[in-house]
Amino acid sequence: NAGVTQTPKFQVLKTGQSMTLQCAQDMNHNSMYWYRQDPGMGLRLIYYSASEGTTDKGEVPNGYNVSRLNKREFSLRLESAAPSQTSVYFCASTMGLAATDTQYFGPGTRLTVL
Amino acid sequence: AQSVTQLGSHVSVSEGALVLLRCNYSSSVPPYLFWYVQYPNQGLQLLLKYTSAATLVKGINGFEAEFKKSETSFHLTKPSAHMSDAAEYFCAVSDDQSGGGADGLTFGKGTHLIIQP
Repeated sequence: NAGVTQTPKFQVLKTGQSMTLQCAQDMNHNSMYWYRQDPGMGLRLIYYSASEGTTDKGEVPNGYNVSRLNKREFSLRLESAAPSQTSVYFCASTMGLAATDTQYFGPGTRLTVL
Repeated sequence: AQSVTQLGSHVSVSEGALVLLRCNYSSSVPPYLFWYVQYPNQGLQLLLKYTSAATLVKGINGFEAEFKKSETSFHLTKPSAHMSDAAEYFCAVSDDQSGGGADGLTFGKGTHLIIQP
């Protein structure tokens, strides 16, 4: 089991460029999440998908879109990147939506927007 | 609404000394509490979680945490620090009102643990 995988590991963009961050999990989990991590801020939820075919906004969704392609894959798209989106992005998954469910995290994508 | 406060953005201890990382929570309903560890350039890994069974929770790598409702705390401890414990540690909270969705996990800002040889 690879767990949660993310591609790419690193990316540098210029302001206004677009890109898609990919995430896949092989644990047959139903729910998937995208977080961003900024120094001194902890993790903040961008979007989540409770199940295949559904997506919902989290705490900081502006400037992002998501697609739950199938049960395994959940992508995050930046349509027009801005320097404020320089961050480390983590994908996570859980079996369900119970408050006690453990979230399993990918290794992260380090994005720099110039 | 729920929130987590981690006291100390950086904590430094000597190898072999006690590790104590502090976490206080705020929740209007009984909370569920988590500690995650992040090693350099890696994702987060669950250390332990409190789900209202035993108040003293044992996790991986010799860590444990005690839920104290009267103090609204869930501090993380390890009796003897090892160099491999150097990492970023995050406390997180959820509750039955939020489930695992948009408000599912609220993270603290993290504590960087430094181990001195």
